[in-house]
Amino acid sequence: RKEVEQDPGPFNVPEGATVAFNCTYSNSASQSFFWYRQDCRKEPKLLMSVYSSGNEDGRFTAQLNRASQYISLLIRDSKLSDSATYLCVVTPVGAGRRALTFGSGTRLQVQP
Amino acid sequence: DAGVTQSPTHLIKTRGQHVTLRCSPISGHKSVSWYQQVLGQGPQFIFQYYEKEERGRGNFPDRFSARQFPNYSSELNVNALLLGDSALYLCASSLEGGYGYTFGSGTRLTVV
Repeated sequence: RKEVEQDPGPFNVPEGATVAFNCTYSNSASQSFFWYRQDCRKEPKLLMSVYSSGNEDGRFTAQLNRASQYISLLIRDSKLSDSATYLCVVTPVGAGRRALTFGSGTRLQVQP
Repeated sequence: DAGVTQSPTHLIKTRGQHVTLRCSPISGHKSVSWYQQVLGQGPQFIFQYYEKEERGRGNFPDRFSARQFPNYSSELNVNALLLGDSALYLCASSLEGGYGYTFGSGTRLTVV
């Protein structure tokens, strides 16, 4: 079983739609959680951190459910510029280890 | 300010050869991590260095090695290249080995 699992998509949605991505992780003791965005053939960029209390940044809302080991990302009012691959990221337990464990990503294509 | 810089941007090598990839972190960042991203997958952690010491190692064979220099730049070395080593190699830097990573644009290695 992969440490971080995501639906690869692609999710094809029209502009203005609301779209949700989910991610599950296998290590219940994982400490920190993030969503990264990666454009085609570019480097990953941090989109937002994810907290149990939920957090919102403009059109983006992230949520963590530790009991279910589940992370979500909601994008409202999708823009063409949101087309990218969204990577779910968790960090392992252990002092001194700061490695990021990435899912395989979910591809989003927003269409006019 | 310059971001994380990696060189070269593209590289073609033959099976069995050796390759050295280079990374310069953001000024003031003391931690450098290396990731391998195979097409269609998320990045996989290879190494982390902080203050010139190895702080973490992913599940990669001994053909992969790295080091960090006094100016905090880093090299990733891969010996006896295999076709499966073809990937985007990403370097990320952070201030104190925490989770606030910035990725470079990567080196795209093709092994033929």
